[in-house]
Amino acid sequence: DTEVTQTPKHLVMGMTNKKSLKCEQHMGHRAMYWYKQKAKKPPELMFVYSYEKLSINESVPSRFSPECPNSSLLNLHLHALQPEDSALYLCASSQLGGLDGYTFGSGTRLTVV
Amino acid sequence: QKEVEQDPGPLSVPEGAIVSLNCTYSNSAFQYFMWYRQYSRKGPELLMYTYSSGNKEDGRFTAQVDKSSKYISLFIRDSQPSDSATYLCAMTINTGGFKTIFGAGTRLFVKA
Repeated sequence: DTEVTQTPKHLVMGMTNKKSLKCEQHMGHRAMYWYKQKAKKPPELMFVYSYEKLSINESVPSRFSPECPNSSLLNLHLHALQPEDSALYLCASSQLGGLDGYTFGSGTRLTVV
Repeated sequence: QKEVEQDPGPLSVPEGAIVSLNCTYSNSAFQYFMWYRQYSRKGPELLMYTYSSGNKEDGRFTAQVDKSSKYISLFIRDSQPSDSATYLCAMTINTGGFKTIFGAGTRLFVKA
């Protein structure tokens, strides 16, 4: 089992819905990330929380908003998504800013209808 | 030109073969190099990471970095059907914060 836990594993939502993805890690890592991955493509960075500071990929639309309640939890709030937002959403954590790699969760497979 | 180039494959080999997976990169400032394995519908799993040029071995896996040629490789010895997955290279640069770029991933099939 992965040490980064993501819930739910699957999510189907309508374009007018509001939903949240959740991520938890217990490795004491100080940085957590949200990535988006489309089929047969590499992961694309969306957000980074590192030492309680948020960094945003400026290409990510505002219908995605991250929240970091504490250093072990990371949420991604979804609102008014589009069908093209359907993808695998991956949470990851790292100790050294990714220098020694990331620990990824299993992902949430999101379908927007 | 992409910062990281990786042949998407697919690459199909018989069980027991030695597999060679490769990435090239254009920015000589990349300092840290990683290989991930991703099974279908799962998150990537870190296999190996390295900083310096040369070889690093872990079981059946060997990571090789040639900074002068901007070329990294992952070798899998005695490949098994369970090695069938997508292999992603990744590399990190310090730009004031750390930025990681992933390759497109190579799909590997190991036939029993």
